[in-house]
Formats: sequence, structure tokens, C-alpha cells
Amino acid sequence: AQKITQTQPGMFVQEKEAVTLDCTYDTSDQSYGLFWYKQPSSGEMIFLIYQGSYDEQNATEGRYSLNFQKARKSANLVISASQLGDSAMYFCAMREVGSSNTGKLIFGQGTTLQVKP
Amino acid sequence: AAGVIQSPRHLIKEKRETATLKCYPIPRHDTVYWYQQGPGQDPQFLISFYEKMQSDKGSIPDRFSAQQFSDYHSELNMSSLELGDSALYFCASSATEKRPYEQYFGPGTRLTVT
Repeated sequence: AQKITQTQPGMFVQEKEAVTLDCTYDTSDQSYGLFWYKQPSSGEMIFLIYQGSYDEQNATEGRYSLNFQKARKSANLVISASQLGDSAMYFCAMREVGSSNTGKLIFGQGTTLQVKP
Repeated sequence: AAGVIQSPRHLIKEKRETATLKCYPIPRHDTVYWYQQGPGQDPQFLISFYEKMQSDKGSIPDRFSAQQFSDYHSELNMSSLELGDSALYFCASSATEKRPYEQYFGPGTRLTVT
């Protein structure tokens, strides 16, 4: 069965510094997708970044980059130049492709990030 | 840009009552997903619809049912509510014809069962 593991329940980072949030995954599929979502205290789920299993380059979206190491089955999120507004819960998720073309997401346990001024 | 709309945003029900949650996906998105997020937990997949047909089913209790209508909006019906059903319920949508991988989440419906 597919599984996502986030081993850091909570992280602190100083404002303007970079931080890496860890994510490892387990799957027997050759084709899969990995996502990071941000969930502020208000509760909404905000899509940050996506990495496909066949993508040769690591994904980047502004201050977010995904450090994808396929052999190690890791997909760490790097946030550069942290801002106070980055304080939130961060979820790593994997797209599981079932018999249909749709793909439900399987989430990790989440990492709470707090940015210190 | 249009986003996923969920209503109501907050709902308070008593045990054994019923609740109906509504979801309006982003226009031209053909797939709708429902997730349940308990307090302090990660979201869990409940059910999905592709082109108005159920496409996948997760850990959805038999007391819950869902459907997608001809205008693509979806409803999650919950009966005989239990205290443990208190959670944040997300609807998400995606388009399989382009960028089939991103799921856009609605703001969620926070259900409290007392």
C-alpha cells in the first residue's frame, strides 16, 4: 500500500532563513505524483508544488522547491527566505492512481512550521 | 480565478441528525473528491466522482452517501450523525484533460456534532 511519512511534527525557522520539510514515500507504482499543500490556521488547503515521478528536474514555484530523490523515495520541500506568513501546517501527499483515471490523494501526518521574527 | 465553493462553511448538528454538504467545482473540472479531516489529523479520502459517476471510494461510512449532479456540483449526505463525524470536510476538483494532477481544494465545511 502507498504511504507518506513526515517525521517532523513541528519545525521552527528564523524569518528570512531557508527551511526543509521532510517527506518520504512508499509505493510500488512506477507512475505517481507528489504534492505539497499548506494549511494555515484558517483551515484551507493551499496547493504549493507538484513533482511527477518521471520529471527529470526538481519542481520549483517561487520560494518553494521540491528536492526529489527518487532512489531514496524522498520529496522534501524547501522554503527559501521564510516569511511570517509561512507559519502553517504543511502536508506532503501522493497521488494514487486507481483503476480509473482519477487519483485520490494520500496525505502524510503533516509538519507544523513556525517562523520566528 | 474561480475556486471551489463549499457550503455551508460551518454546520452544527446534534447526534442522529442528518447533514448535507454541497460542493461546486471549478468550471470545466470533471472530477470531484471529498476528504474528511478530523481534529489534528491529515485529510482522509472519502469518495470521488468523474463525469458524474462514482470513480473511487475510500473509508466512507455506510451512513454517508454522495452524488454528482448534471451541473457537476456534488453533495455529501450524512445521516445518523455521530460525535466522531465532527471534522473539516473538503471538496476538491481537478481537470483530467489538462494538468490532471493538481487538486484544487475548497475552503472546507466545518461540521460540529453535539
